[in-house]
Amino acid sequence: DIQMTQSPSTLPASVGDRVTITCWASQNINSWLAWYQLKPGKAPKFLIYKASSLETGVPSRFSGSGSGTEFTLTISSLQPDDFATYYCQQYNSYPRTFGQGTKLEI
Amino acid sequence: EVQLLESGGALVQPGGSLRLSCAASGFTFSRFSMGWVRQTPGKGLEWVSVITGNGRETYYATSVKGRFTISRDNSKSTVYLQMNSLRVEDTALYFCAKDDVRGGSLDSWGQGTLVTVSS
Repeated sequence: DIQMTQSPSTLPASVGDRVTITCWASQNINSWLAWYQLKPGKAPKFLIYKASSLETGVPSRFSGSGSGTEFTLTISSLQPDDFATYYCQQYNSYPRTFGQGTKLEI
Repeated sequence: EVQLLESGGALVQPGGSLRLSCAASGFTFSRFSMGWVRQTPGKGLEWVSVITGNGRETYYATSVKGRFTISRDNSKSTVYLQMNSLRVEDTALYFCAKDDVRGGSLDSWGQGTLVTVSS
């Protein structure tokens, strides 16, 4: 199975900050990577596919980059609604796997 | 608007069985792969299983292979997850999710159904 590792696990931040979350794959996954946002009591929200393509309706302050084994999710200017947990997921091969999550907190 | 509604979560004893259902609407169900993802307090999100649109191909996480079975009824726009030989570590909130048309990522999710495995 491909292992996905995110860093950091927790990220203290403030409104207006620029933050970056990193995700590493244990082997080459090309650009087959997605990012999701998860808030308590809510369905996960799909943010980015194919490493850098923004899903329709997702604010442009979110961006993704990377290929191969190293990927990043950047939020250019944190808004109050962005405080949540973020997960990367590879879909290069089965079984698909998620990172362990990065919690953005004030 | 895509809607996914999970049901079937319950408290079950270790070794027991449970079947989860996910009723879908708002899209042409048979055209899309459908999957299950679970969330545990300690491990975050864990991908569980996926089934292709025609039901011919299924894939599973290593942790559930041989115990869980995914299936679908396209006439009812419903996907199922049959869970056997349940373990305490299967305790989680189980989400149903729709595969993105571009393949592999999950673009729509339900609210989840809670499975608790405990004696």
